[in-house]
Amino acid sequence: SSEVTQDPAVSVALGQTVRITCQGDSLRRIYASWYQQKPGQAPVLVIYGQNNRPSGIPDRFSGSSSGNTASLTITGAQAEDEADYYCDSRDDSGNHVVFGGGTKLTVL
Amino acid sequence: QVQLQESGPGLVKPSQTLSLTCSVSGDSVGSAYHYWSWIRQHPGKGLEWIGYIYYDGSTYYNPSLKSRATISGDTSKNQFSLKLRSATVADTAIYYCARASHDYFEYWGQGTPVTVSS
Repeated sequence: SSEVTQDPAVSVALGQTVRITCQGDSLRRIYASWYQQKPGQAPVLVIYGQNNRPSGIPDRFSGSSSGNTASLTITGAQAEDEADYYCDSRDDSGNHVVFGGGTKLTVL
Repeated sequence: QVQLQESGPGLVKPSQTLSLTCSVSGDSVGSAYHYWSWIRQHPGKGLEWIGYIYYDGSTYYNPSLKSRATISGDTSKNQFSLKLRSATVADTAIYYCARASHDYFEYWGQGTPVTVSS
């Protein structure tokens, strides 16, 4: 199956570490990418590849993968990190994109 | 800096064709190894990939939309477009265009809302 699943909601205390996960069989062979979306804004790429951050993304964002699970970790979450986070993957052909359902992160 | 801007009607009648254009600056839609993409987001919901056109003109679509969607490119205007035939209220969404490199979408337009209603 090419589907990828995410927990609908996660919360974290300000300054603490949070892990957001994405599960799917396709993640055994390819890396997920991660996007942050704040209300009323377009998604922004925060992690791609094994663990790469685009320019301008704080180093508190990191990515990892194990088996069929990809993870986005925010070390020392800030209030401005409160957002929806989406992972994406590819189907078996590699030509079709699949997004996870998204995780709403609340920073307490 | 690559920038993308969606444009098109914000209101479409049911059964008509939803047509959107993405204007690109800072890169060429004919540039190698980039996928020029359309993604949508239904109100209050997650992201849905619609499809993309590769630099060589080949196209790939979400199987659930393949029968109604067409993505085309115009290198002379540095634009690419989406046509979604036989629109229904279920096509009401924010539509984003984006540029993908390899396995990730690195540049996104701001999005344009489209409502399908009579």
